[in-house]
Parts: sequence; structure tokens; C-alpha cells
Amino acid sequence: ELKVEQNPLFLSMQEGKNYTIYCNYSTTSDRLYWYRQDPGKSLESLFVLLSNGAVKQEGRLMASLDTKARLSTLHITAAVHDLSATYFCAVHPQNTGTASKLTFGTGTRLQVTL
Amino acid sequence: DSGVTQTPKHLITATGQRVTLRCSPRSGDLSVYWYQQSLDQGLQFLIQYYNGEERAKGNILERFSAQQFPDLHSELNLSSLELGDSALYFCASSPPGLAARETQYFGPGTRLLVL
Repeated sequence: ELKVEQNPLFLSMQEGKNYTIYCNYSTTSDRLYWYRQDPGKSLESLFVLLSNGAVKQEGRLMASLDTKARLSTLHITAAVHDLSATYFCAVHPQNTGTASKLTFGTGTRLQVTL
Repeated sequence: DSGVTQTPKHLITATGQRVTLRCSPRSGDLSVYWYQQSLDQGLQFLIQYYNGEERAKGNILERFSAQQFPDLHSELNLSSLELGDSALYFCASSPPGLAARETQYFGPGTRLLVL
């Protein structure tokens, strides 16, 4: 059974600071997603990482994937209050054809303070 | 707005009752997925349909069932409801073929409260 662990679970950081959220998973995967969720809202897709060494950046967020270590990171640069949300990684198992079953991490609740 | 619609937005019902949640995928998407989000279980995959056929099953209880209709909308039926079924239920959709790898687009969710 695929297990996905995120850490930290909660992150309080000051504006302007940098930090990294980690996502570890237990079996081989052919893609990994990062989503953002604001309180009481739906999930917004941030990144999809499809291969080893993949790196994607959007604004102050950068995601990377190391399939050998089964690790993805979401790096936050110079945090701003608008980034406050819960961030989820989700892992897709390898070789499932049109069957698609995402396993989500526990989420990291990010709070950016002034 | 992802283009995925879900109704109703909120649902309050009593234990033992049955409810139906409805989802319309984005135009052109063939896959529909159902997820449950609760404080104790987190975000859990329930079931996937692809062009009317069940394709993947997760931790879906026997009291729950789903189907996808010829017009590609989907319904999730929850019966003999228990207090622990209170959760946010999301529907997501993805396009066919290789584009499905890009992401799953999530709807706004249905918040179910069982009293």
C-alpha cells in the first residue's frame, strides 16, 4: 500500500523567510502533484512532476522531485501572507493505465505572519 | 473556477438516511473521481469512473456507491449514514489520454453533516 508522509504538519513562518515542505512516499510512482487548499475551499493544482529531477517554479513556490529517494520538496521563497494555506502532495502509483488513484499526504498547514 | 460542478454545496441529514451527491465534470473530461476529506482520515480517494465504467476503487465503504452516466455526470450515493460520514466530498475530473497526467481538477465540494 502506498504511503505518503508530509512534514511538517504545521508551519508558522514570518514574511520574507524561506522554508521547505517535504513529501516522502513509499513505492514507485510515475507522477507527483502539489495542491493548495484554502480553508473551506477546494483544491487548486499547483504543480505536476513527471520525472526524476523535475523542477517547476511558479512565483515564490518551487517544487522538485527525486524519484530515487522517493522525495519531493516544495520550497517557499520570501513568504508572503497570501501563501497561507494548506499544501498537499499527492502521489500516483506507476503503471496503472487509465486507472488513477491518488494518495494524498496529510497536508502542511502554512501560516505566514507579519 | 475549475469547471467541475458539484451539487448540493451543503447537506444536513440524520443518521440512517440516504443522500445523493452529484458531479458534472469539465467539458471533454472522461474521468470522474470521488474523494472524502475529514479531519481524522484526511483526503481519501474513494472511486474513479472512466467513460461510464469503474476504473479504480479506494477506501469506499459498502454503504457507498457511485455511477457515471452516459452524459458523463456522476453521482455518489451514501446510505445508512453514520455520524462519522460527516465530511467534505470532492469530485474531480481529468481529460482523456496523456493529458490526464497533467492534473485532476477538483470541484468545490459538498459538505455533508450527519446529525
